[in-house]
Amino acid sequence: GQSLEQPSEVTAVEGAIVQINCTYQTSGFYGLSWYQQHDGGAPTFLSYNALDGLEETGRFSSFLSRSDSYGYLLLQELQMKDSASYFCAVRNYNQGGKLIFGQGTELSVKP
Amino acid sequence: NAGVTQTPKFQVLKTGQSMTLQCAQDMNHNSMYWYRQDPGMGLRLIYYSASEGTTDKGEVPNGYNVSRLNKREFSLRLESAAPSQTSVYFCASTGGQGGSYEQYFGPGTRLTVT
Repeated sequence: GQSLEQPSEVTAVEGAIVQINCTYQTSGFYGLSWYQQHDGGAPTFLSYNALDGLEETGRFSSFLSRSDSYGYLLLQELQMKDSASYFCAVRNYNQGGKLIFGQGTELSVKP
Repeated sequence: NAGVTQTPKFQVLKTGQSMTLQCAQDMNHNSMYWYRQDPGMGLRLIYYSASEGTTDKGEVPNGYNVSRLNKREFSLRLESAAPSQTSVYFCASTGGQGGSYEQYFGPGTRLTVT
């Protein structure tokens, strides 16, 4: 089967750095994605890693280690608007691009 | 570009009633997906369509049917609604060939079954 694990909640203060981890178990792994979802809204794409290493996009970075079946999302210079749920999702080979999502990490940013 | 649109935004059904959730995308994407999201949970894939003319089951297909009407439209049907199908339903699409990996989501349909 397939499974993803991420922490259910993380709290941090404005201006800080936070890391949200994701470990996965799947066959035919192709890549790991991250999505952000604000309360009541639709998920929006943040990043994608198919190869080992760090991908940086502004204040957000994502890391993947294929050998460890592990990835993380790093958020820097936290802002109040970053309070949201963050989901990791795996994509496997030859499965029509479908994603299997983790249960999400709720990030609360405090002043 | 409207992106991915879904109708209706809200719906209340009685147990046993049927309904169809509509989804359309104007990005010329090949693949489309239906997810459900329950409170405090991640998104679970119901059905997907890798390309026009094909559909496949996801993680939680029981109680649902889908139709890929054309490249733009992918509908989800509940034949006999049950309270367990109370959820938020999201449609998504992803485009192009091979390397596409970003899914674009619609605004969701909030369904309550009483």
